[in-house]
Amino acid sequence: ELKVEQNPLFLSMQEGKNYTIYCNYSTTSDRLYWYRQDPGKSLESLFVLLSNGAVKQEGRLMASLDTKARLSTLHITAAVHDLSATYFCAVDGGGGADGLTFGKGTHLIIQP
Amino acid sequence: NAGVTQTPKFQVLKTGQSMTLQCAQDMNHNSMYWYRQDPGMGLRLIYYSASEGTTDKGEVPNGYNVSRLNKREFSLRLESAAPSQTSVYFCASSLMTGTDTDTQYFGPGTRLTVL
Repeated sequence: ELKVEQNPLFLSMQEGKNYTIYCNYSTTSDRLYWYRQDPGKSLESLFVLLSNGAVKQEGRLMASLDTKARLSTLHITAAVHDLSATYFCAVDGGGGADGLTFGKGTHLIIQP
Repeated sequence: NAGVTQTPKFQVLKTGQSMTLQCAQDMNHNSMYWYRQDPGMGLRLIYYSASEGTTDKGEVPNGYNVSRLNKREFSLRLESAAPSQTSVYFCASSLMTGTDTDTQYFGPGTRLTVL
């Protein structure tokens, strides 16, 4: 059974600081996804990581994937209040169309 | 493009009642999914349809049935609702091309309360 663990589950940080969210998963997977969810809203896709060593960046967010360690990271650089949200990582363990297994999410609050 | 649409947005049921949640996508995606989201639990897969004409169970299928009506539409039915099915339900779709543009697109969700 595929398990996905995120940590921390809750993070309060100040604007301007850097921090990293970690996502570990239990079995081999070709695909890892990061999503953002604002309160009461749906999920927005941030990154799709398909191969070992993949790194993607969008603004102040950077995601990476180490398939050997079964670890992905989401790094936040110089945080701003607008990045406050819940961030989910999700893993496709079934080879493509079989649905995703999600972590429990990291609730991120960025304070001025 | 409307993307993924879901109806209704909110619903309150009494225990034992039945209902169908509707989902449609206009992106010509092959695969569609139903998830539920509970506080502190992330999203859990209920059922999925990898392509038109096929459906498969996910992690938490008990108490639910699905129908892939055509390529656009994928419905979720609760035959006899229970309070444990109080949740937010998300439909999603994807077009799996094997590239790093693959992702699942999510609908706005249905907030269901079972009393």
